[in-house]
Amino acid sequence: GAGVSQSPSNKVTEKGKDVELRCDPISGHTALYWYRQSLGQGLEFLIYFQGNSAPDKSGLPSDRFSAERTGGSVSTLTIQRTQQEDSAVYLCASSSQGLLTEAFFGQGTRLTVV
Amino acid sequence: GENVEQHPSTLSVQEGDSAVIKCTYSDSASNYFPWYKQELGKGPQLIIDIRSNVGEKKDQRIAVTLNKTAKHFSLHITETQPEDSAVYFCAAGYNNNDMRFGAGTRLTVKP
Repeated sequence: GAGVSQSPSNKVTEKGKDVELRCDPISGHTALYWYRQSLGQGLEFLIYFQGNSAPDKSGLPSDRFSAERTGGSVSTLTIQRTQQEDSAVYLCASSSQGLLTEAFFGQGTRLTVV
Repeated sequence: GENVEQHPSTLSVQEGDSAVIKCTYSDSASNYFPWYKQELGKGPQLIIDIRSNVGEKKDQRIAVTLNKTAKHFSLHITETQPEDSAVYFCAAGYNNNDMRFGAGTRLTVKP
């Protein structure tokens, strides 16, 4: 596609439910990042993929959070047993492999846990 | 890991004045320093970036300076306009590894 696509754009879920957030990176981009942005806050690094591998998972806040990437393309961020503090905008970005290049961000998924 | 600090958190300037945002980083191996602009309801977009082999880069009204010895870099916006109002993020990274962002600066340009 023309840009990074994230779905859904908005998600309201009940506390304790599981949610899946999807990211479609720009075609050919092998690096993919997930960030979390709480209201009025900065970008909190969650996880980074190079191809299907995640060399850095250090940002995942708890074992309720997991992410995978298949076929070097689409990535899914899963949050199990959601809590109210998980409410935030989840942003995905992609960039070209092995180069220090621009990371293109999606519009984000606004997650609200009620 | 890399730690990026950004100041100020908010900045208000009169239209036409200059705005400066500063960031420091901790990992001396970092060699890529982008700046992103985020408008309300949108994802961040790159506005300028600098690599460690240069000390300054300009693009029209925007410039970035880098001091590798002191491990700090700055964004300079001259002749500010109301449409420059947004949240600006600095970031530091190494060879496309986990790029870390500063906490952001909310810039308001008053007409």
